[in-house]
Amino acid sequence: DGGITQSPKYLFRKEGQNVTLSCEQNLNHDAMYWYRQDPGQGLRLIYYSQIVNDFQKGDIAEGYSVSREKKESFPLTVTSAQKNPTAFYLCASSSNRESNQPQHFGDGTRLSIL
Amino acid sequence: EDQVTQSPEALRLQEGESSSLNCSYTVSGLRGLFWYRQDPGKGPEFLFTLYSAGEEKEKERLKATLTKKESFLHITAPKPEDSATYLCAPINNNDMRFGAGTRLTVKP
Repeated sequence: DGGITQSPKYLFRKEGQNVTLSCEQNLNHDAMYWYRQDPGQGLRLIYYSQIVNDFQKGDIAEGYSVSREKKESFPLTVTSAQKNPTAFYLCASSSNRESNQPQHFGDGTRLSIL
Repeated sequence: EDQVTQSPEALRLQEGESSSLNCSYTVSGLRGLFWYRQDPGKGPEFLFTLYSAGEEKEKERLKATLTKKESFLHITAPKPEDSATYLCAPINNNDMRFGAGTRLTVKP
C-alpha cells in the first residue's frame, strides 16, 4: 500500500540534544512538508520541499532543519535551539505544490522533553 | 493576514442528531478548500476538496459546501464512529492554512 511512514511514533529529547524525525513516502510525490500541531492550534508549517535538494522555510522554521537528498525521504531535525519542542509532528506529501492537490499525511511523531 | 476560524471548537451529539460544522476564512485569492478528519494520535485523513463557491461534495453521512467566505461540513444522522476532529484548510495560491479544528463526539 502506498503511503507515508513516520518514525518513531514517540520520541524523547534531553536538554541540549538534537533529534531527527524520519519521514518516508512511496507515493512518488514531488512535494513534502513538515507540520507541527499543538493543542487548540491549527497545523503550522515548518518546512517544505518541492523537489530533491531544495527546501523552503515555512512559518515556524526557527530551531529546525531538514534535508531532501532522496525523493522518498524528508527527515526533520529538531535542534537544541528549539526551546519548546514538545508537540505532535506531522509529515505530508502531495503530487506537487502548485497543483493544489490534497496533501496526504503520516501518523505523526510525538516529541516530548525528558 | 490570512485567518481560518472553525466553530464550534467542540460539539457533542447524540447518535442520529444531525448538525453542521463551520469553517470561515479571510483568504485572498482563494483557490479551494480541503476538509480532513483526524483521529486521536493519527495524521489527518483527506475527505473532500472544494474548488468553487456553490460546490458540494458528499461521502456517506458527510456533505461539504463552499461559499466565498465559509464552508460547512454537514453531518446527517451521525454514528459514534464519526467522532473525530475535523479540520478545514483553505488554499491561497500555493499556500494551505489549517484551522484549529472542531472536535466532534457522537454518543450512542
